[in-house]
Amino acid sequence: QSALTQPASVSGSPGQSITISCTGTSSDVGGYDFVSWYQQHPGKAPKLMIYDVSYRPSGVSNRFSGSKSGNTASLTISGLQAEDEADYYCSSYTSSSTRVVFGTGTKVTVL
Amino acid sequence: EMQLVESGGGLVQPGGSLRLSCAASGFTFSTYRMTWVRQTPGKGLEWVSYISSTGAPIYYADSVKGRFTISRDNAKNSLSLQMDSLRAEDTAVYYCARGYYTSALNAFDIWGQGTMVTVSS
Repeated sequence: QSALTQPASVSGSPGQSITISCTGTSSDVGGYDFVSWYQQHPGKAPKLMIYDVSYRPSGVSNRFSGSKSGNTASLTISGLQAEDEADYYCSSYTSSSTRVVFGTGTKVTVL
Repeated sequence: EMQLVESGGGLVQPGGSLRLSCAASGFTFSTYRMTWVRQTPGKGLEWVSYISSTGAPIYYADSVKGRFTISRDNAKNSLSLQMDSLRAEDTAVYYCARGYYTSALNAFDIWGQGTMVTVSS
């Protein structure tokens, strides 16, 4: 089972919106509404930002939103802030024997 | 405060064994699914294993199947990962994580701080 494909880096200025893509196949992203997104700051554990494609856990800012179209899921961060600078990983359930697959990760830089 | 604390990491030779533990506190451990996720230094996340709240079903990543064994003791609020036949490519920070209440297997809302496992001669 290969990792889901994410861009290595995305950048934006404070206040702008950015979108991170996560591309898989019909066996994972495209086949199930089980896509999650995680934020990870250096030296810290990941934090759940989005689950089941578009739902935010309690306490997560509504500046973060998720969506999916076909085999590609997306995380949009609106009103970009300095604290959003971090690595972001998507994850999907997969029908393969390895039940869960993560994305390759995207480094978000706030200019 | 809901918390997960991993322990048991260290340096081990290829072919050796190590047992990781994860102590849970601040929530009703017995009602939550649990997972192990690892992260190679400077690289991405890799899902390792899953165990339901009751101990079954259990799932493993293909890369560790047959070598790693996940288990839990709900009476002791504890999760374990027995790692045998270790390889250099198993070198990583290992996190235990709590499954979020959604039906998805890949949503984890509470994570430990991680424990480092280094496989090297």
